[in-house]
Amino acid sequence: GAVVSQHPSWVICKSGTSVKIECRSLDFQATTMFWYRQFPKQSLMLMATSNEGSKATYEQGVEKDKFLINHASLTLSTLTVTSAHPEDSSFYICSATLGASRSDEQFFGPGTRLTVL
Amino acid sequence: AQRVTQPEKLLSVFKGAPVELKCNYSYSGSPELFWYVQYSRQRLQLLLRHISRESIKGFTADLNKGETSFHLKKPFAQEEDSAMYYCALNSGYALNFGKGTSLLVTP
Repeated sequence: GAVVSQHPSWVICKSGTSVKIECRSLDFQATTMFWYRQFPKQSLMLMATSNEGSKATYEQGVEKDKFLINHASLTLSTLTVTSAHPEDSSFYICSATLGASRSDEQFFGPGTRLTVL
Repeated sequence: AQRVTQPEKLLSVFKGAPVELKCNYSYSGSPELFWYVQYSRQRLQLLLRHISRESIKGFTADLNKGETSFHLKKPFAQEEDSAMYYCALNSGYALNFGKGTSLLVTP
């Protein structure tokens, strides 16, 4: 099956620093990648949709300058949390789809636990 | 507005008992619904989708447009079914997830 990896799996950083999270599709080319945020015992909240070679589409309420998304290739998307603060601590999950159809299954990465001190 | 509601945060059943995880949705267009499952310490994965009308691991879900529901059912729950279950609605370009229901199957 299609595998999506994330790196790092967890990260602890000081307030004010920036953190980059990578999302890779290992055995397929992903037309679209999605970034989600999940708070403890809550659902996944879509942050942005990323297509290779174009600007990401952010959901309402998500700061573009705070959460920088780069989709440089069909197998890699990165999320950079800039000037991180404790309230940014969360579980960040990416997913990828094979095609552009709305019916396409999303394959999820294992997530990245970010803790900002 | 698109919305997915899973009214139960936690559902506990005995092994062998029937289980139903509720999901209701609101969507102005033709809905496309999914159930995703997350087992302990594992990533989220697709369980089933309504367009496939299939049974996966004994689970089925029928789309009821009249009641705007997509409840997940299994006639005889197994301990390995214990997991977090998310109902999701495809809004055209992304998935809207419900808050999830934690299913606990006890022996």
